[in-house]
Amino acid sequence: DVKVTQSSRYLVKRTGEKVFLECVQDMDHENMFWYRQDPGLGLRLIYFSYDVKMKEKGDIPEGYSVSREKKERFSLILESASTNQTSMYLCASSLPNNEQFFGPGTRLTVL
Amino acid sequence: GQNIDQPTEMTATEGAIVQINCTYQTSGFNGLFWYQQHAGEAPTFLSYNVLDGLEEKGRFSSFLSRSKGYSYLLLKELQMKDSASYLCAVRTNTGGFKTIFGAGTRLFVKA
Repeated sequence: DVKVTQSSRYLVKRTGEKVFLECVQDMDHENMFWYRQDPGLGLRLIYFSYDVKMKEKGDIPEGYSVSREKKERFSLILESASTNQTSMYLCASSLPNNEQFFGPGTRLTVL
Repeated sequence: GQNIDQPTEMTATEGAIVQINCTYQTSGFNGLFWYQQHAGEAPTFLSYNVLDGLEEKGRFSSFLSRSKGYSYLLLKELQMKDSASYLCAVRTNTGGFKTIFGAGTRLFVKA
């Protein structure tokens, strides 16, 4: 059974903290994605990666960075968390040109 | 710009048929996806259209007209468990094969 896992389901951090969100997939997918989902706005792409050590900016990369050192792992980093980064964060993976498989999501609250 | 529009909410009765519409304006169209997302859960893949016409998969069908920038998802024999959000997503081949998601349509199925 295909699986995308995320390190935490719920996370509470303080303004200014550095936050790491981890995502691991076991399907040997080349593509991995980080989205945030907010009510009324849908899923918005933060960063994506086509291969190890490769990364591309999505639509809202400001305030975020990513790391893909291994094929199965894609990390999202909030360099200095702010309250407007309170959101649901979803990781996904896919083969090229195929549907995406999503992780369960991390609900991040920044106080 | 790139835009995807779908109704915010719909209500239908158990056993009925419901059609969820999606219109899009994007450059470099490279396929349209429908995902289902139950409250508090990750999106899961339902269907994919890249050519005009109807794709049928059990109780669910999806239609695409590329010239009109239009798609719909048809759900037949509605069940209570079909109460969920339905996300329309368009893959584009500009900026590296990104997928743009609509805000989703929340479907309520009543007895």
